[in-house]
Amino acid sequence: AQTVTQSQPEMSVQEAETVTLSCTYDTSESNYYLFWYKQPPSRQMILVIRQEAYKQQNATENRFSVNFQKAAKSFSLKISDSQLGDTAMYFCASSTGANSKLTFGKGITLSVRP
Amino acid sequence: SAVISQKPSRDICQRGTSLTIQCQVDSQVTMMFWYRQQPGQSLTLIATANQGSEATYESGFVIDKFPISRPNLTFSTLTVSNMSPEDSSIYLCSVRQGYNEQFFGPGTRLTVL
Repeated sequence: AQTVTQSQPEMSVQEAETVTLSCTYDTSESNYYLFWYKQPPSRQMILVIRQEAYKQQNATENRFSVNFQKAAKSFSLKISDSQLGDTAMYFCASSTGANSKLTFGKGITLSVRP
Repeated sequence: SAVISQKPSRDICQRGTSLTIQCQVDSQVTMMFWYRQQPGQSLTLIATANQGSEATYESGFVIDKFPISRPNLTFSTLTVSNMSPEDSSIYLCSVRQGYNEQFFGPGTRLTVL
């Protein structure tokens, strides 16, 4: 079974600054994937970034990057140059290679202040 | 990524009735999923919709309550049966594409009175 833990319920950041969202996970699988999803008030779930467990290099997508620490089972998301449009719920999630079922963390509410 | 639509986008229903939610994808996909997001909560997988066979349900979800159809590779429906206020949630469908990525529809917001 997989578990995903997001212990921070909410965070706030000033526009243009950098913020890091934390996530830890647990799995017995050797082949798994980790994701960060964004859910703005419109409720549309948007895939932000993906990390394959077998890759040592941290994934990066424009202003979004991850710090993947496999031994510590940690998968944090860094948002650089925060924008007002980044205000949303952020969910960390994991899936195995076999069945693709996503297991989500509880989510964190991020507010970007002007 | 695939373009996914859901109907209806929202509905208000009376207790004891049923609602069918449709999920349409603009390309053929092998794997489709249905999730529930209760108010202020995270997403929980209800079932995997299998084309041409019965859906695979997660623990705590049963076919009598959440019957699912998957007649082809671009379409699926989820029915919420004999609704109670506890069924008030956002229901989302998703599809798997690429390297184990899942993309979501816009969701259906259901309120049961």
